[in-house]
Amino acid sequence: SQQGEEDPQALSIQEGENATMNCSYKTSINNLQWYRQNSGRGLVHLILIRSNEREKHSGRLRVTLDTSKKSSSLLITASRAADTASYFCAVYSSASKIIFGSGTRLSIRP
Amino acid sequence: DAGVIQSPRHEVTEMGQEVTLRCKPISGHDYLFWYRQTMMRGLELLIYFNNNVPIDDSGMPEDRFSAKMPNASFSTLKIQPSEPRDSAVYFCASTVRIGTVNTGELFFGEGSRLTVL
Repeated sequence: SQQGEEDPQALSIQEGENATMNCSYKTSINNLQWYRQNSGRGLVHLILIRSNEREKHSGRLRVTLDTSKKSSSLLITASRAADTASYFCAVYSSASKIIFGSGTRLSIRP
Repeated sequence: DAGVIQSPRHEVTEMGQEVTLRCKPISGHDYLFWYRQTMMRGLELLIYFNNNVPIDDSGMPEDRFSAKMPNASFSTLKIQPSEPRDSAVYFCASTVRIGTVNTGELFFGEGSRLTVL
């Protein structure tokens, strides 16, 4: 079964707005990662947050992690048309497995 | 640098035929993962290898599926016999040592889109 569940499943926003996606997971983790997938392509790693971190930034990306609630969020600020893609969270557990969530389809309207 | 290379990119076959998907990981990466992606089930981990040894194949759906990694630069995923429900995009990904310090950041190939008629 999938480890992570993303919310919302789909999100459509205006260019320039911020996009927030959430991920919930079930077990203890070593780290949580976010990936992006453009249509018809492979996944690309965006950012990683370790289990002992609460927030991390990379360019227009901000990730938060709440291990007590077993949840994470990805914020993309000042969205651009090129941000249109599917976004997945992935949890790395102590079993060395990397399990992906169901993904959020993000559409940026020009 | 070459990334993860998968072949074929597209495969159309008839039910009952054998399908072999191939993957060349990034040089120096010692973990290799096979995932399957469908609309209904999302990204499923099928199997992963460490130093060419299968570590966990609990995600392999049936005995019809098998995976091998004869050396550090090549892996195959075989389906025999194939069925229409095997239609999916199959991804290979590699990474360097997964541990409490290393990240386990995955590098994905572009996938092999399989259609079984």
